[in-house]
Amino acid sequence: AQSVTQPDIHITVSEGASLELRCNYSYGATPYLFWYVQSPGQGLQLLLKYFSGDTLVQGIKGFEAEFKRSQSSFNLRKPSVHWSDAAEYFCAVAANSGGYQKVTFGIGTKLQVIP
Amino acid sequence: DGGITQSPKYLFRKEGQNVTLSCEQNLNHDAMYWYRQDPGQGLRLIYYSQIVNDFQKGDIAEGYSVSREKKESFPLTVTSAQKNPTAFYLCASSQEGNYGYTFGSGTRLTVV
Repeated sequence: AQSVTQPDIHITVSEGASLELRCNYSYGATPYLFWYVQSPGQGLQLLLKYFSGDTLVQGIKGFEAEFKRSQSSFNLRKPSVHWSDAAEYFCAVAANSGGYQKVTFGIGTKLQVIP
Repeated sequence: DGGITQSPKYLFRKEGQNVTLSCEQNLNHDAMYWYRQDPGQGLRLIYYSQIVNDFQKGDIAEGYSVSREKKESFPLTVTSAQKNPTAFYLCASSQEGNYGYTFGSGTRLTVV
C-alpha cells in the first residue's frame, strides 16, 4: 500500500524568501505524484503532477517540484514566496488498485508567510 | 466554466438526523469521490464511484451512504449512525486515465 509523509506540519517563511516543502512517499512501483494547495475553507487546487519523464516539474503560481527516486521524495519549491501563498499544501501519491486510481494524501503542511 | 459545485457551504444538523450533501459536476468526468477532512488528519476517502450506478466504499464508509444515478451527481448522506460527523467534506472528480482531481469548495457540517 502506498503512503505519503509530510514531515513539517507548519512552516513560517518571510515574504520574498525561498520555500521548500518536503514530501516522502512509499510505493513499490513508479508513482504518480501530486501537490495540491488549499486556502482556508476552500477545496484543493492542483499545483502540479508528476507521471514520468523529466523529474523537475513546473506547476502553476510559480511552483516546481523535483522527483528523486533514490530518496523517495517529491519536494515542492518556490524561489520567492508571496503573502498570497499562505495556505495548506498537500502531497499525494496515486496508484492503480483493482482498476481504481487510489490516491493517498499526506496530512498537509500549513505555510505562514510573514512580512 | 466547468467545475464542481458543492452545496450547501455550511450545514447544521441535530443529533439523530440524516443529512444529504450535494455534489454536482459539469466536467463530464467519469469518476467522483467523497473525502472527509479533519484537522491534522489530511483527507480520508469515504466513497468513490467510477461509473453511473456503481460505487465503492473507501476507508471510512461506516455511517455514510451515496448514490450515483447520474454522471453529474454524487450526493452523500451522513446518517445518524455516523458517530462523529462534524467535519469538512470535499467532493472531487477525475477523468479516467487522469489521476489529477478537481475538487469542489467543500461543505462544513456541524452537529448541534
